[in-house]
Order: sequence, then structure tokens, then C-alpha cells
Amino acid sequence: GEDVEQSLFLSVREGDSSVINCTYTDSSSTYLYWYKQEPGAGLQLLTYIFSNMDMKQDQRLTVLLNKKDKHLSLRIADTQTGDSAIYFCAEFSIYNQGGKLIFGQGTELSVKP
Amino acid sequence: KAGVTQTPRYLIKTRGQQVTLSCSPISGHRSVSWYQQTPGQGLQFLFEYFSETQRNKGNFPGRFSGRQFSNSRSEMNVSTLELGDSALYLCASSLAMSTNEKLFFGSGTQLSVL
Repeated sequence: GEDVEQSLFLSVREGDSSVINCTYTDSSSTYLYWYKQEPGAGLQLLTYIFSNMDMKQDQRLTVLLNKKDKHLSLRIADTQTGDSAIYFCAEFSIYNQGGKLIFGQGTELSVKP
Repeated sequence: KAGVTQTPRYLIKTRGQQVTLSCSPISGHRSVSWYQQTPGQGLQFLFEYFSETQRNKGNFPGRFSGRQFSNSRSEMNVSTLELGDSALYLCASSLAMSTNEKLFFGSGTQLSVL
């Protein structure tokens, strides 16, 4: 079945690196995404990775994909207080000529000054 | 380019009423998807529309329906509201919701059912 799992909480100090982990089950997933949600807001697309890639770097963000273990991680370098938010990983599930995103439960990142 | 616009931002209704939420996708995007977000269930897929046709539907009762217009704007309707329908309803747009696309979300409509 389709399922995406994330740890619920992560607390780091400002300036440290944050690593948010995610596991997924759909081996046919083509794209995997990371979204950020701040309080009272919608979902902001942070980055995404194609399933034939191992790594993608975008400024302070690094995404690592282990397709064998179906494990995805998001590393935020030099974490700032403004990075405090809930982070969702999502896999794209092909469905009836279109598709849908299957989301994890979200990881709440707390950045302490 | 304007982002995904959802109206209204907040809604308060009572049990048994019905509600209509609106979503305007990014210009040029033809696929609109709807998601429900609750603290207990997280983000759940409701349905997806492409070129005025519903292509996919999630596991929600028939009280939840939607439609898409020729300009790609979409509405979703919830009839006979229940307390459990209280949620943040998010709309997302993409070019065609194929496998290599980015999905952009609006700010959502926060629905409270009393």
C-alpha cells in the first residue's frame, strides 16, 4: 500500500544542521517532494528529487535518496529561526492518467536561538 | 505570475449546512487538486480535476464534490456538514499533474463546523 512515514519532532540550535528523515513504500514513485508549512499558511514547495537521482543540492538544502531502502532525507545547513515550521515529505503516486501526492505526517522543526 | 488563490480564507458553518470553496490555479495550469488537512488524519487527497473532468477521487463520502470550469478555476462543495469536516482545505495546481511536475499550493480555506 501507499504510506509515507516521518518522525514528528526535531529540535536544533540555530546555526546547526537539521536532518529530517522520511520513508516511503511505493516503489513506482517517480518524484519525491519536500514541502514547508508555517503556522496558518499553505504548503510551500522547497525542493524535489527524481527517483533516479541520489542527491540534489539547492543552496542550504540537500536531499538524499536511498531508493533501495526507500529512504529520503532533507538536510538544512546553518539552520535559522525562520526555518521553524512543519516539513512534509510526499511521494507522487501515478493514478488514472494523473496522480496524487501521498504525504507523511509532517516533522515539526523547532530552532532554538 | 500570481500564485494559487483560494477563497474564502476562513469559514464558520453549523452542522447540516453546505459550503462551497473556490480555487483559482496559476495561469496556464490545467490541473487542480484538493486536499484536506486535519490534526488527526494529516493531509488527505480529495480529488483532482483536469480540463473540467474529475480524473481521481480520494476516499471521502459523496458529500464531498467538486467541479472545474473552462478557465481551470475549481470549486469544491461539502453538503450536510459534520463536525469532523472542520479542517484546512488546500488546493494545488499544476500544468497537467503528470509525473514530472511541481505542485503549487494555495494558502487554504480554514473551515470550522460548529
